[in-house]
Amino acid sequence: DQQVKQNSPSLSVQEGRISILNCDYTNSMFDYFLWYKKYPAEGPTFLISISSIKDKNEDGRFTVFLNKSAKHLSLHIVPSQPGDSAVYFCLGSSNTGKLIFGQGTTLQVKP
Amino acid sequence: DTEVTQTPKHLVMGMTNKKSLKCEQHMGHRAMYWYKQKAKKPPELMFVYSYEKLSINESVPSRFSPECPNSSLLNLHLHALQPEDSALYLCASSQDTRSNYGYTFGSGTRLTVV
Repeated sequence: DQQVKQNSPSLSVQEGRISILNCDYTNSMFDYFLWYKKYPAEGPTFLISISSIKDKNEDGRFTVFLNKSAKHLSLHIVPSQPGDSAVYFCLGSSNTGKLIFGQGTTLQVKP
Repeated sequence: DTEVTQTPKHLVMGMTNKKSLKCEQHMGHRAMYWYKQKAKKPPELMFVYSYEKLSINESVPSRFSPECPNSSLLNLHLHALQPEDSALYLCASSQDTRSNYGYTFGSGTRLTVV
C-alpha cells in the first residue's frame, strides 16, 4: 500500500523557469507533510513542510501547496537553479512518529 | 552540532558475520530512527526509538537488532544477513516523534552482504 505517491519519476526544467513536483497521499492520518531533497551519497535534507490545517507555506524560492480534499500536494521551485538538481521526496507524517516517503522525483535543472 | 553521524560509511560483510552500524547525534533529540533504502526505491522505516525506548518496529526480521544505549546513540546490530539485505541504511533524529519539520538524516551506511 503506497501511502505517499509521487507519480513522476523525473522532471527536467530550464534554469530560471518554475519546477512543479507533485505528490498524492492516501493516509488521512497524516497531519504534516514534508519535502526533502537528496543528493547522491548524502542523506536527505529538509526543505519545507506544511501542516494539514494550512493550504500554503512559502520559504524563499520554495512553496508547498496542500489540497486536502484532493489529498494532493505540490512543491513549486521558482526560479529553478542548476544546484536544485536532486531527488525530491514527499513525506507524510503522523502522530505515531512514522515518516513515510514517496518514491521520489529526480529533478534536473538545465543551464 | 547539527549533524547525524553514521559510521562506518561503507561495510562489506559475509552472511555469517556479526557487525554493527552506529549513529550519533548531539542535538538533544529524543527520537531516533533507522531507515533502509534499496536502489531506486524510497527509504523504508525500520525502527523508531522515542526517549530511548523502542516505539515502532516495522516487522523487521530479527537478524536486525536495534539498540539505544543513551539519548545520543543508536546502534543497529547485524547478524546472519542475506545478500538481499544489501542497501543504504539511514539514521535520522528529531526533537521528538511529533517534530514535524526537524528530522535530520545522516549520510547513511552503504552495506553489502556477500
